[in-house]
Amino acid sequence: GAGVSQSPSNKVTEKGKDVELRCDPISGHTALYWYRQSLGQGLEFLIYFQGNSAPDKSGLPSDRFSAERTGGSVSTLTIQRTQQEDSAVYLCASSPEWGTYEQYFGPGTRLTVT
Amino acid sequence: GENVEQHPSTLSVQEGDSAVIKCTYSDSASNYFPWYKQELGKRPQLIIDIRSNVGEKKDQRIAVTLNKTAKHFSLHITETQPEDSAVYFCADERSNDYKLSFGAGTTVTVRA
Repeated sequence: GAGVSQSPSNKVTEKGKDVELRCDPISGHTALYWYRQSLGQGLEFLIYFQGNSAPDKSGLPSDRFSAERTGGSVSTLTIQRTQQEDSAVYLCASSPEWGTYEQYFGPGTRLTVT
Repeated sequence: GENVEQHPSTLSVQEGDSAVIKCTYSDSASNYFPWYKQELGKRPQLIIDIRSNVGEKKDQRIAVTLNKTAKHFSLHITETQPEDSAVYFCADERSNDYKLSFGAGTTVTVRA
């Protein structure tokens, strides 16, 4: 079946603009995660959603970052008033449910803030 | 868990030799330890994982060992091949807190 998809694959934006990044998880997966990977670095947890439960937002670096998950499926990560330090690859992952299950990653969105 | 340290940051091995990557964690409540492989320009993919009630797990040329007392776990790749060249990430997950904390990654280069 189809894996996790993300769009756009690349996004270049000017400092101060808002951006929206989209994630389509694997059908039927109830858990969805967002990570940020800066150049040459590991994966930094941002936020996760599980079913209808309140999301865990503990990894969001500032109030400029927010995320939604509509209908328990597609998720959108929004970054307002982008800064140069927001430049990174944003990865989305999904898993069948929360718990110790494999997380399947999408291809990522490379964000460049100029 | 909150803090996972991974060593070394880079590792170069001759084809056919073994590669070992070590990670340490700080939270005794961590109970799940996956390893992900990320090839250049590709997405991370799970290659093996271990739970805290197990000391060792093997899958063909890959094995992971866990020492709960010392709070460290290691990835072992035997008979390395050029296609093993990638960045490898360890991670841990605390029970009832279903987010992964990743190490900084190890870039493995297998020399032909």
